Amino acid sequence: QITLKESGPTLVKPTQTLTLTCTFSGFSLTTGGVGVGWIRQSPGKALEWLALIFWDDDKRYSPSLKNRLTVTKDASKNQVVLAMTNMDPVDTATYYCAYKRFGSTFIDYWGQGTLVTVSP
Amino acid sequence: QSALTQPRSVSGSPGQSVTISCTGTSSDVVAYNYVSWYQRHPAKAPKLIIYDVNKRPSGVPDRFSGSKSGNTASLTISGLQAEDEADYYCCSYTGSFTFDVFGTGTKVTVL
Repeated sequence: QITLKESGPTLVKPTQTLTLTCTFSGFSLTTGGVGVGWIRQSPGKALEWLALIFWDDDKRYSPSLKNRLTVTKDASKNQVVLAMTNMDPVDTATYYCAYKRFGSTFIDYWGQGTLVTVSP
Repeated sequence: QSALTQPRSVSGSPGQSVTISCTGTSSDVVAYNYVSWYQRHPAKAPKLIIYDVNKRPSGVPDRFSGSKSGNTASLTISGLQAEDEADYYCCSYTGSFTFDVFGTGTKVTVL
């Protein structure tokens, strides 16, 4: 059974760096084809892909946020970490991690999400 | 890329059918037969219910069905049940080197 769970701060101040951790079970990030990504949904807005990292350390980033994002993995801990710099109130959102296989046309599994509020 | 367009809300009585539309462009819905749908209950993880326009993952009831015509994909829930009350999101593949694009989301209310 595959599960993913997001963790991190619920409140960050503007200009700070947000660090979120996705801890997963039921699969390994050393297995070929496996990927874990981050998606967010700001209030009243559509879901938006942020970043994706694959078993071979191939990384993909949203073009509009690329300069602010870093995604890394620790396969031994079954974790993927997302760092987003220079946080702004518009980055207030629910952040989800997700399991997506390389070449797949859909997201197989999601975490339940974590709400991050950016406020002074 | 712009989000795919979905109605904000749809509603129906138990046993009825409801259909949610998802309108895209020539860069996404039109170009690929790779539309997926996700169901999200409050404070729960979204769940895949349809992939590749009309395929159901194992365990998803057959009252959920998907289709596509031109720039619009659709999700139909037949025989609506109370547990189907949730938010639904469509998503379209946009190519190998770009991220998929999501719909704006639709709240389904069971009257």
